[in-house]
Amino acid sequence: GAGVSQSPSNKVTEKGKDVELRCDPISGHTALYWYRQSLGQGLEFLIYFQGNSAPDKSGLPSDRFSAERTGGSVSTLTIQRTQQEDSAVYLCASSPWGQPNQETQYFGPGTRLLVL
Amino acid sequence: AQSVTQPDIHITVSEGASLELRCNYSYGATPYLFWYVQSPGQGLQLLLKYFSGDTLVQGIKGFEAEFKRSQSSFNLRKPSVHWSDAAEYFCAVGAPIYSSASKIIFGSGTRLSIRP
Repeated sequence: GAGVSQSPSNKVTEKGKDVELRCDPISGHTALYWYRQSLGQGLEFLIYFQGNSAPDKSGLPSDRFSAERTGGSVSTLTIQRTQQEDSAVYLCASSPWGQPNQETQYFGPGTRLLVL
Repeated sequence: AQSVTQPDIHITVSEGASLELRCNYSYGATPYLFWYVQSPGQGLQLLLKYFSGDTLVQGIKGFEAEFKRSQSSFNLRKPSVHWSDAAEYFCAVGAPIYSSASKIIFGSGTRLSIRP
């Protein structure tokens, strides 16, 4: 079956521009997660959705970052006024039941963002 | 605060040799424990996970991990590595009690290279 998909796969933008990253989770999965992976770093948690609500958005680094999920499915991560330090791979994952501490998470291939 | 440490940033082993990747965690109680693999150009994939019971856990691709409570460790092992095992490996921990904010925490990863 279809896995988690993300678009675009690569995005190059200029400093100060806004970008939108899209995630299509596995159909029927309740939970959706966004992570950021910087070069040589581990995965940094950004935000987690249970259905359309976000019980935990503690990882969003600043108010320039926001995310939404609609219809319990597609999610969009928006970065406003991008900065060079936002350059990273943004990973999306989903899981069936919304118990993030114990469920297997299924990851997409990521969006590689480069801010010039 | 909970944390997970992967002390080895990069390991190189010869094809056919045995492998052990280290993972240590800091938690008040036994957490949920995971190992994920990120192969070049691919998304993260779960190798194995531990919740309770037998402390030796078998995973996919011939990997296993052993939970040692006394050492707060969950090391990943493979008896004989193949060139296709070259990848980034991430250990992760989840809180032992579910709450809406119980995200899992990833280690910084260990990059595995295979020597022909």
